[in-house]
Amino acid sequence: NAGVMQNPRHLVRRRGQEARLRCSPMKGHSHVYWYRQLPEEGLKFMVYLQKENIIDESGMPKERFSAEFPKEGPSILRIQQVVRGDSAAYFCASSPPGLYTIYFGEGSWLTVV
Amino acid sequence: GENVEQHPSTLSVQEGDSAVIKCTYSDSASNYFPWYKQELGKGPQLIIDIRSNVGEKKDQRIAVTLNKTAKHFSLHITETQPEDSAVYFCAAHRSNSGYALNFGKGTSLLVTP
Repeated sequence: NAGVMQNPRHLVRRRGQEARLRCSPMKGHSHVYWYRQLPEEGLKFMVYLQKENIIDESGMPKERFSAEFPKEGPSILRIQQVVRGDSAAYFCASSPPGLYTIYFGEGSWLTVV
Repeated sequence: GENVEQHPSTLSVQEGDSAVIKCTYSDSASNYFPWYKQELGKGPQLIIDIRSNVGEKKDQRIAVTLNKTAKHFSLHITETQPEDSAVYFCAAHRSNSGYALNFGKGTSLLVTP
């Protein structure tokens, strides 16, 4: 059973470009979470999604950031018009329905130059 | 509020000694408290968790205790080994967000031979 798969693992974008981060949850998991980690800091909750629904996006900046988890395919975290402050590691996690146990992927490291 | 406070931020112990990391939380409705270990360049890995109806849980050299009245929980690692060196994060269930978690800022543990 493969773990949570994230790609790309490393992404470099120039200021103003768009970044798209993908996440395939573990098999059987219908809940997906995105977290951001800045250097030397903890994991900041961004958004919690179930298939085709955003459950909680209270941690996500109102502008430039969006997330989706379509019926088919991976979850996507999209950052438009990136700025240097968006440089961070973005972690996706998933959990099965009805259970609290959350498993993380290996992360996507975004660098904005 | 939904803050999770974690102490200490860094901890250095000698191989074979015990390590204790403490966390407090503010959301009295939280009922699930996992601990994650993160190695450099990797995603957080779940190492142990505890539910609010349990006061203590052990798994080999790792134990977690929970005091729900005082809203604090602790991770205990006994007989530490150099491979225990990593950053450890505590987390608490976000009661207003389904199954999502709030994380502490992490403890960097160094076990010296």
